[in-house]
Amino acid sequence: GAVVSQHPSWVICKSGTSVKIECRSLDFQATTMFWYRQFPKQSLMLMATSNEGSKATYEQGVEKDKFLINHASLTLSTLTVTSAHPEDSSFYICSAPGQGTETQYFGPGTRLLVL
Amino acid sequence: EDQVTQSPEALRLQEGESSSLNCSYTVSGLRGLFWYRQDPGKGPEFLFTLYSAGEEKEKERLKATLTKKESFLHITAPKPEDSATYLCAVHSVEGGATNKLIFGTGTLLAVQP
Repeated sequence: GAVVSQHPSWVICKSGTSVKIECRSLDFQATTMFWYRQFPKQSLMLMATSNEGSKATYEQGVEKDKFLINHASLTLSTLTVTSAHPEDSSFYICSAPGQGTETQYFGPGTRLLVL
Repeated sequence: EDQVTQSPEALRLQEGESSSLNCSYTVSGLRGLFWYRQDPGKGPEFLFTLYSAGEEKEKERLKATLTKKESFLHITAPKPEDSATYLCAVHSVEGGATNKLIFGTGTLLAVQP
């Protein structure tokens, strides 16, 4: 099956610092990946679509200068939370469609806590 | 605007007590409906994809069905390990070729022994 990994699985940082989260497709290539944010007891909210070789597409209300996305290869997308603040604390999850299918496969998530 | 609504928000069942979860959707054109299971602190785990009304899929104690307006996830004789949040998502024509999904808020299922 299609496996997606994320690193790190959790991170604690001080307010004002930047944090980078990696999303990898392990056994398939993904020209598109998706980044979601999930607050406690809420559903997944799409933040942006990461496109290999081109700029990411951000959802309405998501600050592209704060959440930098780089899709450097067909198996790696990174999300950098710049100048993180406590309100950025959340569970960040990435996904990628399996090759030749519309089904999206999700990573295990990254828990971010900003102090 | 595409919309997905799940009910109930939470469901508590006794082990062996069968029930159904509902996912109602309003989309411009359905390209696919997806069911996922999410355990606390983890990413969603794929369960089923349904593409057209009348389609059914089964996996162990779970069975997903699809009509033109809604999908049901039937749980037969559930066990405590079936406890999780079940998420429904749709991919519509509005999402285009990007496979963008719209998620419902989920149903939190608790199965007591």
